[in-house]
Amino acid sequence: QQQVKQSPQSLIVQKGGISIINCAYENTAFDYFPWYQQFPGKGPALLIAIRPDVSEKKEGRFTISFNKSAKQFSLHIMDSQPGDSATYFCAAKNAGNMLTFGGGTRLMVKP
Amino acid sequence: DTGVSQNPRHKITKRGQNVTFRCDPISEHNRLYWYRQTLGQGPEFLTYFQNEAQLEKSRLLSDRFSAERPKGSFSTLEIQRTEQGDSAMYLCASSAYRGEQYFGPGTRLTVT
Repeated sequence: QQQVKQSPQSLIVQKGGISIINCAYENTAFDYFPWYQQFPGKGPALLIAIRPDVSEKKEGRFTISFNKSAKQFSLHIMDSQPGDSATYFCAAKNAGNMLTFGGGTRLMVKP
Repeated sequence: DTGVSQNPRHKITKRGQNVTFRCDPISEHNRLYWYRQTLGQGPEFLTYFQNEAQLEKSRLLSDRFSAERPKGSFSTLEIQRTEQGDSAMYLCASSAYRGEQYFGPGTRLTVT
């Protein structure tokens, strides 16, 4: 199966707080898990990505946690800022390099 | 700007008309992908090319849709006899072989 499930659909966080977005997948053939950030009217921009042999990856305020046995991964945004307000998509890539996206999470960071 | 570019950015057409979109990938990337994104949803894979060869097509790509990449550089996506259900953002991405995919700004199609 190719489905990637993402939650929550929307998220409101106070400035300085932690934003957490979760994703789950079923296809164990997926071999790469990127997160994309999308602003209105723009294309998705690659934010951070992880391979299944790693349990955590951190880049600045963004951290991916990966649980291979549970087939789940999550994005944590530390010290959330109003400029982080956007829609976030998790994705999973198969051997053919095709991305399957989650449904998206609309994040609003309140000042 | 050396990113992925797409033209036009917006297209409004009447039902039944044909439309064509263009994508120019990052110059050193040999793979090019087309995705479709409807409002409030994640992008859905349509097709991809490695150089000029079209290697995979989604079942979403009906026979009204055709994509080409004649010289392994830019690509075009044509929709014939457009329907209102074709209204969406059409996204193009490119990558090096098995590398990360970088997306263009998209072409927003509205079928009236």
